Amino acid sequence: QVQLVQSGAEVKKTGASVKVSCKASGYTFTGYWMHWVRQAPGQGLEWMGWINPNSGGTNYAQKFQGGVTMTRDTSISTAYMELSKLRSDDTAVYYCATSRSVGYSFDIWGQGTMITVSS
Amino acid sequence: QSALTQPASVSGSPGQSITISCTGSSSDVGSYNLVSWYQQRPGTAPTLMIYEDTKRPSGISNRFSGSKSGNTASLTISGLQAEDEGDYYCCSYAGSSTWVFGGGTQLTVL
Repeated sequence: QVQLVQSGAEVKKTGASVKVSCKASGYTFTGYWMHWVRQAPGQGLEWMGWINPNSGGTNYAQKFQGGVTMTRDTSISTAYMELSKLRSDDTAVYYCATSRSVGYSFDIWGQGTMITVSS
Repeated sequence: QSALTQPASVSGSPGQSITISCTGSSSDVGSYNLVSWYQQRPGTAPTLMIYEDTKRPSGISNRFSGSKSGNTASLTISGLQAEDEGDYYCCSYAGSSTWVFGGGTQLTVL
């Protein structure tokens, strides 16, 4: 079936980097943009940006420009989101999500990856 | 990009109807018929409930409906059930290949 499976939870030190993976299965990975959304503890959803798995093109929310890098490996149908210079307020659950059949919405979500940043 | 505005919480009794509003601007909600709504239960990923303002994905109950007027979109849940409890988020395409979410609304079924 169509699914996105993300890498496991991580604990990082302030100033470090983290790279979260999102493996797609059950559909053509290169056919649909992959988005990343984060959710701080007890807070709402925040759109971070997308990557076009076919071309590698990206677009990041203004807030994350300069701090996030989205990449992909088409040979293994996996998208990556790397966050650098981590701060405590980057502590959040990070989701990948795609719009496989509903255009400009997100109908398939990964299970989420908890990233904890501490000093 | 500013987050869309939603009420922090709404509540209703079983069988009643509730409506959650989502206010944006002429740059997002008001410019595109591309508002979506998501339900999120504790500890789980969001689930798409409404897309393109009013459309329901396959498998979503027809008790859920979406509408929009100007810069404000709304999600209505009729025949409220205990299983509808959770957080609800609106999201809008905001142009230039960007998206913006609302702050979320906690629904309590009394």
